Amino acid sequence: QQQVKQSPQSLIVQKGGISIINCAYENTAFDYFPWYQQFPGKGPALLIAIRPDVSEKKEGRFTISFNKSAKQFSLHIMDSQPGDSATYFCAARVANQGGKLIFGQGTELSVKP
Amino acid sequence: DVKVTQSSRYLVKRTGEKVFLECVQDMDHENMFWYRQDPGLGLRLIYFSYDVKMKEKGDIPEGYSVSREKKERFSLILESASTNQTSMYLCASSLPGGGSSSYEQYFGPGTRLTVT
Repeated sequence: QQQVKQSPQSLIVQKGGISIINCAYENTAFDYFPWYQQFPGKGPALLIAIRPDVSEKKEGRFTISFNKSAKQFSLHIMDSQPGDSATYFCAARVANQGGKLIFGQGTELSVKP
Repeated sequence: DVKVTQSSRYLVKRTGEKVFLECVQDMDHENMFWYRQDPGLGLRLIYFSYDVKMKEKGDIPEGYSVSREKKERFSLILESASTNQTSMYLCASSLPGGGSSSYEQYFGPGTRLTVT
């Protein structure tokens, strides 16, 4: 079964701290691992993505770390800001299915000022 | 600016009613998707479509059907609404194929459906 497990379900971080969200997958038929960010009242939007042959990808304060052997990947938000407060979803794209994504359960991040 | 619109932000229906949720995208995308979002369960794929008149079942298709008569429009149908279908419904679209662009899905704002 194709599954992506995400933790924690909720996270509270102080302004300036590091937020870390973890995901694990079981099926190896995934070829991209995107992260989505969702603000209240809005649909999710792509934040950053990584291929499984890359161990790390950084875009500004957002970094994905990928461990292929452990089938785990994580999102790190450096210098977290109150504006980063949102729900974050990890996902995995199913190879050869034209764009189908399997999403994790979501993490509600709250950054306190 | 890319846009996915959904026909209603909030909808209240009675048990047994037939419900139509409409989604329109203006990006000429081949792929369209319907998800439901529930707390603690994330986004679960109901149905998706790679082309006009084409549909594929997702992970939770029971109790739902879809229609795609035009490229820009993808409709989700609840044949006989039940209380366990109370949820947030999200529509998305994306480019086709296995390239790096198809993992970017563009989402609408969602329809909060309550079935009483």
